[in-house]
Amino acid sequence: DSGVTQTPKHLITATGQRVTLRCSPRSGDLSVYWYQQSLDQGLQFLIQYYNGEERAKGNILERFSAQQFPDLHSELNLSSLELGDSALYFCASSVHGGRVNEQYFGPGTRLTVT
Amino acid sequence: KNEVEQSPQNLTAQEGEFITINCSYSVGISALHWLQQHPGGGIVSLFMLSSGKKKHGRLIATINIQEKHSSLHITASHPRDSAVYICAAFHSGGGADGLTFGKGTHLIIQP
Repeated sequence: DSGVTQTPKHLITATGQRVTLRCSPRSGDLSVYWYQQSLDQGLQFLIQYYNGEERAKGNILERFSAQQFPDLHSELNLSSLELGDSALYFCASSVHGGRVNEQYFGPGTRLTVT
Repeated sequence: KNEVEQSPQNLTAQEGEFITINCSYSVGISALHWLQQHPGGGIVSLFMLSSGKKKHGRLIATINIQEKHSSLHITASHPRDSAVYICAAFHSGGGADGLTFGKGTHLIIQP
């Protein structure tokens, strides 16, 4: 158990809908990272937050957004969902903001868009 | 373009064999991360290294910065080592493109 929690574990929704994925980092970790893992693209970095502020942006679509709250949990919002958004979404946390830090991964949220 | 290549893509071996998984990257990096993904999907961080060698139990990771290459070794392999092993490179330039993943090596250890 990494100490990182993600909810929900599974999510099935229809195209065009909007969903919110939630992540709670390990106690004491200030940085949260979001990743998408699809069958054809593998793991891709989406976005990073550090202590409430956006730190780095990767291959995140404009339909997706994220935020980190004062209690350090983070939410990833996915809107106007398409079939291609079906994937595993992981969050990870680390103590510091630099991305060259050991990251601890949550169990992931499996999103299925039908 | 920052690229990370892993080999082999798939590997099946017998219990007890010595396993080597390779990772090559195209541009300079700050550090390299080895991850293990279990069949259920969960990801575990194995190592983060920027030089030399690290060892944890039966796992050993090495990196050669000059040759832009890292290896993950498993000694006395066991069926519970069956998983996907992924390397991820933190590139020196930083920025949004600074974190690139390999496509993973699917390892199966047969009893």
